[in-house]
Amino acid sequence: SQQGEEDPQALSIQEGENATMNCSYKTSINNLQWYRQNSGRGLVHLILIRSNEREKHSGRLRVTLDTSKKSSSLLITASRAADTASYFCATGSGGSNYKLTFGKGTLLTVNP
Amino acid sequence: ETGVTQTPRHLVMGMTNKKSLKCEQHLGHNAMYWYKQSAKKPLELMFVYNFKEQTENNSVPSRFSPECPNSSHLFLHLHTLQPEDSALYLCASSQDQGRLMTQYFGPGTRLTVL
Repeated sequence: SQQGEEDPQALSIQEGENATMNCSYKTSINNLQWYRQNSGRGLVHLILIRSNEREKHSGRLRVTLDTSKKSSSLLITASRAADTASYFCATGSGGSNYKLTFGKGTLLTVNP
Repeated sequence: ETGVTQTPRHLVMGMTNKKSLKCEQHLGHNAMYWYKQSAKKPLELMFVYNFKEQTENNSVPSRFSPECPNSSHLFLHLHTLQPEDSALYLCASSQDQGRLMTQYFGPGTRLTVL
């Protein structure tokens, strides 16, 4: 069954505004990762947050994790037109044969 | 560039054709992955190889046949595909299959089955 599920499915904002995307998941995880995909291209890793962490920052990105609610959020501050892409959360599970399960993604459009 | 290359970038094939997708990583990683990305669906993990051994086959139909001759190369051999197999096929690699590994993706092969 699908693990991570992003919300909203699509988000359109103006340049300079903040964008917030949410991810909910169903089972216990080792960590949660966010990836970005430009149209028709491969995914690019943005940030990883471990299950014992609550918040993490990387540049204009801020990720939170609430394991009690099984949810995570990705905040992009001061958005730019170049941030236009699909954003996916991926939950990691498993021990020696660890694997990621991806959601359907949030399509973010930043209008100049 | 992520250090993972895929060829071809686009492929159109008939249902009776046989073709192969190629993935190469230049990152010194030991784990490689094939994913299928269809419109409106989550990214689906197909196969995982760790140190050249297959560790995951996610109930993929036998018309998809993976091959991993070494840790740097991964192939996906295709034969007698169906139109619903049309999708973006993504290859990824990671240092190994450990819990904190992030994956590096190639640009994908856009496959169209006629």
